[in-house]
Amino acid sequence: DGGITQSPKYLFRKEGQNVTLSCEQNLNHDAMYWYRQDPGQGLRLIYYSQIVNDFQKGDIAEGYSVSREKKESFPLTVTSAQKNPTAFYLCATGQGTDTQYFGPGTRLTVL
Amino acid sequence: KQEVTQIPAALSVPEGENLVLNCSFTDSAIYNLQWFRQDPGKGLTSLLLIQSSQREQTSGRLNASLDKSSGRSTLYIAASQPGDSATYLCAVETSGSRLTFGEGTQLTVNP
Repeated sequence: DGGITQSPKYLFRKEGQNVTLSCEQNLNHDAMYWYRQDPGQGLRLIYYSQIVNDFQKGDIAEGYSVSREKKESFPLTVTSAQKNPTAFYLCATGQGTDTQYFGPGTRLTVL
Repeated sequence: KQEVTQIPAALSVPEGENLVLNCSFTDSAIYNLQWFRQDPGKGLTSLLLIQSSQREQTSGRLNASLDKSSGRSTLYIAASQPGDSATYLCAVETSGSRLTFGEGTQLTVNP
């Protein structure tokens, strides 16, 4: 947690809807990351951004989109193209060679 | 493609026991290896970070070793306590500040 907030904590989506998960940080870190975690599994990288107005796809970017208009914010949109979006989503920040710092997560459930 | 494996997937021990968690990775071209702790439904907390040039790191009752040439790391927990119960995740950093995670070891320390 610390200086990283994610909202909402729980999110429910109907099939066919787009939803946006918020991630805000006050650590002044350049890099921000989005991960997905499925039950009993490790984290998989969705998107990451190393600087404002720039971002790269991770290992599982299909069905997701991001923006990085401000250093403090890195919202993730889960689109209707993501066929199995139910998961725990974690945002992280990093600076240089330091470790990554994680937010508390958002649990997304498709109804 | 980098792959990270953690053994065992789950471990249950009595309080006070010393224990070892194992992590292996397929590509030795890493910048560092990190161990994280995750409590149920929460984000990750960094425990130890070992740079690729280092052999081990220690923090309190935790000691992590790294053998880059063989693609292995161990996390040693001394005198385990019920409060140590959590999932422990190993991750390696490769190019672009990207982390690749293992699936974790779920540890239960019984009073």
